[in-house]
Amino acid sequence: DQQVKQNSPSLSVQEGRISILNCDYTNSMFDYFLWYKKYPAEGPTFLISISSIKDKNEDGRFTVFLNKSAKHLSLHIVPSQPGDSAVYFCAASAPGANNLFFGTGTRLTVIP
Amino acid sequence: DTGVSQDPRHKITKRGQNVTFRCDPISEHNRLYWYRQTLGQGPEFLTYFQNEAQLEKSRLLSDRFSAERPKGSFSTLEIQRTEQGDSAMYLCASSSPVAQVTQYFGPGTRLTVL
Repeated sequence: DQQVKQNSPSLSVQEGRISILNCDYTNSMFDYFLWYKKYPAEGPTFLISISSIKDKNEDGRFTVFLNKSAKHLSLHIVPSQPGDSAVYFCAASAPGANNLFFGTGTRLTVIP
Repeated sequence: DTGVSQDPRHKITKRGQNVTFRCDPISEHNRLYWYRQTLGQGPEFLTYFQNEAQLEKSRLLSDRFSAERPKGSFSTLEIQRTEQGDSAMYLCASSSPVAQVTQYFGPGTRLTVL
């Protein structure tokens, strides 16, 4: 059973505009969420995270929003740059669990 | 500060052969994880070490798979009698005692079983 879902396999955005990547989860025990970026032939690179005690975390062009009641989080990238083109994975962690649960990823293409 | 490294980056083998992969975590990280990623999927957890102790194994880790982390430094993942279904990207990650949840991944080893 997929506990973390990314329902959009792909997203295309014009350079300079906002990219919004979405993620839903089913396990209400998840208390920490992470976004990773993955380029072809490389491992996932950690991007930004958020604890369930917050509803927003910002790091430069990247902002993650968490809506616990909806079990939904989103990653905003603004302004989008061509170098942001990659596959983005949402991941979640539960208390006491040692592993991360990943979504299936969204491929972001930023068009120059 | 060097990141997580994995060797080899690519491995092609014939069905039935044994393969071994190596992972070197970030030096101060005491936790080490192995994941497997297939096409169109996110990484799936295989196993986890804290220092040299293997503390958790996923049901995905069949008895043909074995992992070790002697002396709590590098780790190896061995697959015996490989099958075509083992073809995947094998990812290693590590995390520090201070920020245990944030895992940093290596570049992965892509295994192709012919």
